[in-house]
Amino acid sequence: GAVVSQHPSWVICKSGTSVKIECRSLDFQATTMFWYRQFPKQSLMLMATSNEGSKATYEQGVEKDKFLINHASLTLSTLTVTSAHPEDSSFYICSAPGAGHLTEQYFGPGTRLTVT
Amino acid sequence: AQKVTQAQTEISVVEKEDVTLDCVYETRDTTYYLFWYKQPPSGELVFLIRRNSFDEQNEISGRYSWNFQKSTSSFNFTITASQVVDSAVYFCALSEAPQGGSEKLVFGKGTKLTVNP
Repeated sequence: GAVVSQHPSWVICKSGTSVKIECRSLDFQATTMFWYRQFPKQSLMLMATSNEGSKATYEQGVEKDKFLINHASLTLSTLTVTSAHPEDSSFYICSAPGAGHLTEQYFGPGTRLTVT
Repeated sequence: AQKVTQAQTEISVVEKEDVTLDCVYETRDTTYYLFWYKQPPSGELVFLIRRNSFDEQNEISGRYSWNFQKSTSSFNFTITASQVVDSAVYFCALSEAPQGGSEKLVFGKGTKLTVNP
């Protein structure tokens, strides 16, 4: 089946620095990818929709200047957390939809970000 | 607006018991998709099922079964003869897909299932 990878799987960074997280669709093309955030023991909340070749669409309350999304190719979307703060520590998960009418979302394994 | 409610925050059962996880959803669309995902401690989401709004047939897959009832806007998930390996957080999710393509998912808050030996 379709596979989505994320890199890195976990990262620790200092407050004020920026961190880039990659999401790749390994055996299929994805013009759209989704970025979710999951705080400990909470649900997944959609942050933004990444669109290949155009600007990302952010959900209400998500700062687009803080969470930069770039979807430069049909298999790669990146999320950059700029000027990270401890409250940005979370589990970030990307997903990519399958082709055709399957409407199945393929999720990446997630990236655990800890900001110290 | 779309909303998914999983009223059960945590459930604890003893192995071999049957357990049902509840999911109630809200949407204004006539075409939508419902999902269940399993999230083990590793964090990776495991896809369990997708059901479209026009298919109200119940589904069984091994020890898993799903009961979709549009009349009550519910999509409940039952595990029969639970096993310790079933311990995980289970999420119900909803997407609106008016054109048959994938759309963003709205997740419930999840139900943490613990199966004790």
